[in-house]
Amino acid sequence: EPEVTQTPSHQVTQMGQEVILRCVPISNHLYFYWYRQILGQKVEFLVSFYNNEISEKSEIFDDQFSVERPDGSNFTLKIRSTKLEDSAMYFCASRNGPLAGYEQYFGPGTRLTVT
Amino acid sequence: DQQVKQNSPSLSVQEGRISILNCDYTNSMFDYFLWYKKYPAEGPTFLISISSIKDKNEDGRFTVFLNKSAKHLSLHIVPSQPGDSAVYFCAASLNYGGSQGNLIFGKGTKLSVKP
Repeated sequence: EPEVTQTPSHQVTQMGQEVILRCVPISNHLYFYWYRQILGQKVEFLVSFYNNEISEKSEIFDDQFSVERPDGSNFTLKIRSTKLEDSAMYFCASRNGPLAGYEQYFGPGTRLTVT
Repeated sequence: DQQVKQNSPSLSVQEGRISILNCDYTNSMFDYFLWYKKYPAEGPTFLISISSIKDKNEDGRFTVFLNKSAKHLSLHIVPSQPGDSAVYFCAASLNYGGSQGNLIFGKGTKLSVKP
């Protein structure tokens, strides 16, 4: 069964450093998302991506964040200058077009630890 | 700003009995609702969904009920099994008017099914 994959599973970085989190969505999916979950809190939407551009973003997704789909299979989230409060689990999700339903399928997550 | 609320942080049920997980929402514009199951250190796993034009959807042991007038949905698991023990998240989305269906999650309910 196709699944969303994410690498790395755990990333430790120093404050102020750039990180890139990688995701490979399910191959025939059209819509791509990033979410995060800070320890003990709920899963929060960051950004959605469709047709090679950002379609929606939350207040959390400020100028320090960017997303890219560089080669038609990978979907990346970049944090330019990490802060302590960026420490969280980051989940990538994807879904098919509306005719196939609105269910999103999530990857296993990347645990980002900023020290 | 809790648009999706799960007021019970935990629920304990005996194996074989029914588990009922509840969820309330405030935004009447939501048109799609989903339930996800999550184990620690894993991504959310899609369980079942329901469109706002329906009031019930069933898939095996899982049934979701939607009461639009009360802005309330519930997930019934029957019979409950020890393997169902996990955190269950309710999520809602808006998929029209330019919105790309980003999920708004509740805080989750931890279900424990005792043998």
